[in-house]
Amino acid sequence: GPKVLQIPSHQIIDMGQMVTLNCDPVSNHLYFYWYKQILGQQMEFLVNFYNGKVMEKSKLFKDQFSVERPDGSYFTLKIQPTALEDSAVYFCASGGKNTLYFGAGTRLSVL
Amino acid sequence: AQSVTQPDARVTVSEGASLQLRCKYSYSGTPYLFWYVQYPRQGLQLLLKYYSGDPVVQGVNGFEAEFIKSNSSFHLRKASVHWSDSAVYFCAVSGGGNQGKLIFGQGTKLSIKP
Repeated sequence: GPKVLQIPSHQIIDMGQMVTLNCDPVSNHLYFYWYKQILGQQMEFLVNFYNGKVMEKSKLFKDQFSVERPDGSYFTLKIQPTALEDSAVYFCASGGKNTLYFGAGTRLSVL
Repeated sequence: AQSVTQPDARVTVSEGASLQLRCKYSYSGTPYLFWYVQYPRQGLQLLLKYYSGDPVVQGVNGFEAEFIKSNSSFHLRKASVHWSDSAVYFCAVSGGGNQGKLIFGQGTKLSIKP
């Protein structure tokens, strides 16, 4: 079936640095999402993006977070600066109207 | 508060046995209910979804789930499991307005004994 690719699968950075997580969504999808999963906890909605704009964001989507999809390329999540509590697995999803397709996640380790 | 509870963190069943993975939800509006499966090093894959109509929905690979409104439950079932069903299963709920904004349970890790 359709695949959402997330690059890289694991990223290790020092606290305070900037990180960009990349998501290659399913072509012709219009809705894009990021979810965050801290180890041992459930996956939680961060943000969704449609038509070049943030449509809705949760309280987990801090001011240090931003998303964009320049020129229909990767859908990115940028964290600047990172904090220790940002360590988690971040899942990207893209969808049409009724079905979401998820990537395998990027494990972010902030040291 | 909106929430999904999967009370069993781990379930182990023998190959060929029947399976039920439990899911209960709390949602103030009309719930859209989903079951996803995650195999190692892969993204979540949709097994089945319920929007309305027949409360028993069929999914891929012989899975089905039943929506019981009075019990706020959406348990996943399979008549006979195969070793390849070993994975983590997530139940999720969303509303109609933003269907991609899912509220997930914590997942149930299913192990199959030979």
